[in-house]
Amino acid sequence: DQQVKQNSPSLSVQEGRISILNCDYTNSMFDYFLWYKKYPAEGPTFLISISSIKDKNEDGRFTVFLNKSAKHLSLHIVPSQPGDSAVYFCAASVAGSQGNLIFGKGTKLSVKP
Amino acid sequence: NAGVMQNPRHLVRRRGQEARLRCSPMKGHSHVYWYRQLPEEGLKFMVYLQKENIIDESGMPKERFSAEFPKEGPSILRIQQVVRGDSAAYFCASSPGTGVRGYTFGSGTRLTVV
Repeated sequence: DQQVKQNSPSLSVQEGRISILNCDYTNSMFDYFLWYKKYPAEGPTFLISISSIKDKNEDGRFTVFLNKSAKHLSLHIVPSQPGDSAVYFCAASVAGSQGNLIFGKGTKLSVKP
Repeated sequence: NAGVMQNPRHLVRRRGQEARLRCSPMKGHSHVYWYRQLPEEGLKFMVYLQKENIIDESGMPKERFSAEFPKEGPSILRIQQVVRGDSAAYFCASSPGTGVRGYTFGSGTRLTVV
């Protein structure tokens, strides 16, 4: 049973436009959410995170939005750049957990020049 | 300050052999997590260790898999009598303390069982 779902396996966006990556979750005990970026043959790299007490967190071109009532979060990248092309994973952790993360299956973003 | 170091990067084993995957955490990090990524899947938690202790192994298969993090040296993920289904990318992450803040992943070991 997938607790973290990324329903779009892939997304293609033109350079300079906005990329919106979506993530849904089912476990109401999740209290911290993270987005990771992954290039082929490399490990995931932390991008941005958000605590469940917030609804938005921004870091440069990256903004994460959290809608707790809908159990939905999204990552916005504006403006998108070709170097953003990678697989993006949404991950969550349970309140009071030891630190193990629950990952979605990822969305492959392609930014076309 | 080197990041999380995993070796080997690629490992090929025949069915029935043993696989040993190593992970050296970042300097100052005493918490190590192992994850497995099967093809077309997300990363799945396997085990969480601190020095000389297994804290949470709820994601580990019941048989053939074991992990350790000795007082000296890297953390080791050991898979005995490998089968084709063990072929995957295995990632190690380390953190300075309990919790997901400061989590850093290594580049992974890609295990291929032939």
